[in-house]
Amino acid sequence: DTGVSQDPRHKITKRGQNVTFRCDPISEHNRLYWYRQTLGQGPEFLTYFQNEAQLEKSRLLSDRFSAERPKGSFSTLEIQRTEQGDSAMYLCASSFGINEQFFGPGTRLTVL
Amino acid sequence: KNEVEQSPQNLTAQEGEFITINCSYSVGISALHWLQQHPGGGIVSLFMLSSGKKKHGRLIATINIQEKHSSLHITASHPRDSAVYICAVSNTDKLIFGTGTRLQVFP
Repeated sequence: DTGVSQDPRHKITKRGQNVTFRCDPISEHNRLYWYRQTLGQGPEFLTYFQNEAQLEKSRLLSDRFSAERPKGSFSTLEIQRTEQGDSAMYLCASSFGINEQFFGPGTRLTVL
Repeated sequence: KNEVEQSPQNLTAQEGEFITINCSYSVGISALHWLQQHPGGGIVSLFMLSSGKKKHGRLIATINIQEKHSSLHITASHPRDSAVYICAVSNTDKLIFGTGTRLQVFP
């Protein structure tokens, strides 16, 4: 297993466009987390899944954001009508239960 | 006030120095995590601990549950230790992160 992977690694988009990111967790991990990190700050929690069920969403996750994990394996995070304030690094992590989380390399989003 | 506070925010050291980074938290936790982040964004988990002390190579992490405080120590620091070190806490699910400590070790 090659660890957690994310695609794309970088995304530049114009304000108002929709973007979708993908995360592939470590295969035996049942939990998948999305975090967002802005420059100079620590990551902030967005949402997490246990298998295919989305168990918690942060208040940071406005109605423009939606995440799915349809078969309990990979997950997608979609941002609709992007705004400049959405520019950040989007990090995915996975774990087996409440054990150590393993992070992907992140997707850096720039909204022009 | 943030739920997880780290100090210092920035730290410079000469190669070989002993380094300490501190973390205080104000919420109930099931575990505390120390993470390392290099330029480019990749985050690596260094330690996950819920009591006492753990050691891995030149890195030592301690936690005092009563005082809600943890420290990360680096012995015999090396330029390759230069990175951002992030403290995070968890209570069965998501991580709550500190803002990180940027460490630069000069030869």
